Amino acid sequence: GAVVSQHPSWVICKSGTSVKIECRSLDFQATTMFWYRQFPKQSLMLMATSNEGSKATYEQGVEKDKFLINHASLTLSTLTVTSAHPEDSSFYICSALDTMNTEAFFGQGTRLTVV
Amino acid sequence: DAKTTQPNSMESNEEEPVHLPCNHSTISGTDYIHWYRQLPSQGPEYVIHGLTSNVNNRMASLAIAEDRKSSTLILHRATLRDAAVYYCILFNAGKSTFGDGTTLTVKP
Repeated sequence: GAVVSQHPSWVICKSGTSVKIECRSLDFQATTMFWYRQFPKQSLMLMATSNEGSKATYEQGVEKDKFLINHASLTLSTLTVTSAHPEDSSFYICSALDTMNTEAFFGQGTRLTVV
Repeated sequence: DAKTTQPNSMESNEEEPVHLPCNHSTISGTDYIHWYRQLPSQGPEYVIHGLTSNVNNRMASLAIAEDRKSSTLILHRATLRDAAVYYCILFNAGKSTFGDGTTLTVKP
């Protein structure tokens, strides 16, 4: 199956700094990618839909200025958590939609810890 | 987004079949039914998907009710490695809402 890679797998940052997480589709082109956040013992919550070459669409309650999404190419979407605070500590997961729009492939996730 | 309802947890013995149910009474005609599973600290792993007909693959089988308002994921012989949270989601052009999933425990 198709592979989606996230980098880094985990990151620890100081409060107030920004962190960038990359999501790459390795063997297919993805015009649409999705970003999720998952807190411990909870399900995945969709944060935003990332479309190549256009602005991301954010879900209600997600601050677009805090979670910057850039989908500059057909194989790469990035999520930047700006001015991170301890409450932003979470597991961030991306998925990429296949070209037929029938299946989504998930990355392995990024564990963000803000201290 | 259409929602799915699953039992919070299920238990199975190793080598026995497991039937994981999912209700999706508000499914629309264009929604696909997808199943993923997730191990701790990992991204979800695709299991199987279908639209109307029952589906089989090397991992599992998916039985879809005739009215499509429910489905059942079938693991034919559970192994310890099948212990995970299983999510049933409705998939429409990639956008989907994850419910709480079913935590499957497999006992040796």
